Amino acid sequence: AQSVTQLGSHVSVSEGALVLLRCNYSSSVPPYLFWYVQYPNQGLQLLLKYTSAATLVKGINGFEAEFKKSETSFHLTKPSAHMSDAAEYFCAVSVAGANNLFFGTGTRLTVIP
Amino acid sequence: DARVTQTPRDKVTEMGQEVTMRCQPILGHNTVFWYRQTMMQGLELLAYFRNRAPLDDSGMPKDRFSAEMPDATLATLKIQPSEPRDSAVYFCASGGIPNEQFFGPGTRLTVL
Repeated sequence: AQSVTQLGSHVSVSEGALVLLRCNYSSSVPPYLFWYVQYPNQGLQLLLKYTSAATLVKGINGFEAEFKKSETSFHLTKPSAHMSDAAEYFCAVSVAGANNLFFGTGTRLTVIP
Repeated sequence: DARVTQTPRDKVTEMGQEVTMRCQPILGHNTVFWYRQTMMQGLELLAYFRNRAPLDDSGMPKDRFSAEMPDATLATLKIQPSEPRDSAVYFCASGGIPNEQFFGPGTRLTVL
């Protein structure tokens, strides 16, 4: 079975500061890992995904994430936060060939002007 | 621009009434998921279909919820009778390849 844990249900950063959202996974087989973003009153949108190729994955809106097997982590980062980054972010895990995704509980990002 | 569409976007109903939510997956996608999102429980998978056949509905209360795909362009989620604890945002997602999910905008359900 697979699962993810997102550390910190709320994260606040100043505009222009580094964004770091944490995700740790558990999987008995090599995982596929995803980050989704949800803006207010909208559905989830895929930011980026890791599917066993390069361990550093670049996504949309300047976000990236690094797969670290030794730490079972897939943290999401952005060098400089923008006001438009304020949203809820979900980490998810799956395995090759599977349809189902297992989502974390989400982290709400607030960007302070 | 292919998108998952959901109707209605908002629904307010009274306890005991039947509620039907509809989803149109992206054309060509063969997998459809139903999720429920609440503040307390977060994002929960209710059911999912592949090629219109239900693969897993273990997350769905069987006594009042039902999910169907009458055809490849329509998925429905029905609650009968509805209860206040069903108040949530219900999302549909579709995918064309494994691990891929595109989400619709959701249906916000309020049961009074």
